[in-house]
Amino acid sequence: QKEVEQDPGPLSVPEGAIVSLNCTYSNSAFQYFMWYRQYSRKGPELLMYTYSSGNKEDGRFTAQVDKSSKYISLFIRDSQPSDSATYLCAMSGGGSEKLVFGKGTKLTVNP
Amino acid sequence: EAGVAQSPRYKIIEKRQSVAFWCNPISGHATLYWYQQILGQGPKLLIQFQNNGVVDDSQLPKDRFSAERLKGVDSTLKIQPAKLEDSAVYLCASSLSGSDTQYFGPGTRLTVL
Repeated sequence: QKEVEQDPGPLSVPEGAIVSLNCTYSNSAFQYFMWYRQYSRKGPELLMYTYSSGNKEDGRFTAQVDKSSKYISLFIRDSQPSDSATYLCAMSGGGSEKLVFGKGTKLTVNP
Repeated sequence: EAGVAQSPRYKIIEKRQSVAFWCNPISGHATLYWYQQILGQGPKLLIQFQNNGVVDDSQLPKDRFSAERLKGVDSTLKIQPAKLEDSAVYLCASSLSGSDTQYFGPGTRLTVL
């Protein structure tokens, strides 16, 4: 079993839709959870960061962590064509600063 | 604030040749990372430096890959000799310290023929 599993996608939605992106993990030592956005031919950029179970909201983005189920989600409300990118979940913890990434989900928002 | 700079952006080589990538981190960032991102995969950490010392190189294929960070600023990643499976994007990232946000450069896309 891989440490981090991410829904493979690709995902195609109409503009204005609510998008849900998900990852599961097996390492219970993970404490820090991140979502990165990666545009084509660019490096990943940090979108959301959280370290506790529950929800964290930032504009149209909400990150959700459920440590008991080892499950994290990113919700995008009122999705825009500019949200079209690959979304990567990443996590770390257990005394290691190393980020472990999911495979990424490619999202396309159609105008 | 200038971001992480990488060069070259693209490189095509034949197998068994050698190649080197260069990274200039954000000014003042003590920690520097090299990641390998194979098409359709998430980035995988190859090596982490704290200033000019290695913190983690457990996933670096040391028989062919080497990296250095002289003077604790710029870094170079080398592959010698390259294999077909080394075709990937090589990302450099930096952070103020190991537990801070990592900022990524645009990457170098390597194609090994």
